[in-house]
Amino acid sequence: NAGVTQTPKFQVLKTGQSMTLQCAQDMNHEYMSWYRQDPGMGLRLIHYSVGAGITDQGEVPNGYNVSRSTTEDFPLRLLSAAPSQTSVYFCASSFGKAKGQETQYFGPGTRLLVL
Amino acid sequence: EDQVTQSPEALRLQEGESSSLNCSYTVSGLRGLFWYRQDPGKGPEFLFTLYSAGEEKEKERLKATLTKKESFLHITAPKPEDSATYLCAVQPYGGATNKLIFGTGTLLAVQP
Repeated sequence: NAGVTQTPKFQVLKTGQSMTLQCAQDMNHEYMSWYRQDPGMGLRLIHYSVGAGITDQGEVPNGYNVSRSTTEDFPLRLLSAAPSQTSVYFCASSFGKAKGQETQYFGPGTRLLVL
Repeated sequence: EDQVTQSPEALRLQEGESSSLNCSYTVSGLRGLFWYRQDPGKGPEFLFTLYSAGEEKEKERLKATLTKKESFLHITAPKPEDSATYLCAVQPYGGATNKLIFGTGTLLAVQP
């Protein structure tokens, strides 16, 4: 199993540009999440999904959009990039909500720089 | 408001010098507490899950413990390869189980 994969590894955008960060998992996990990590602030939840077709907002959803058309993929869209979205983005997945199944496994991250 | 505070922010140890990292949490109801290790430029790597006060988990030189207000990650006789940032996260009751609240981490450096 490849686990959780993310592309691209690094991206530079200009203010106002849009892009999609890709996330895929091959572990048949129902739950997937997107976090951003900024210095001194820890990981913060952007959006999450509890299954195909079901998404919800996390702590910092503004400026981001998600969809979940398949179990495997959970792309994150930046609609109009702003310098405040410069960050490292991590995708995570977990099997389910039962005790012992809720552990989240993280991808390698995408570093995004918005100029 | 649910909150996680980790201390110290940074810790420098000599190889073999044991110590503990602290994770204090405030949550309406704790479903689970998670410890992760993060190496520079990498994603967090899962270490432990703790569910109830008094519970302990061990893995090699690491032992995690849990009380009603905090968790400790004890590192016994650390080696340079234990150098990393250690993250603590809580999963509150209510809502989806993939909503974790993270602390800002402890940066551990183990010198040979």
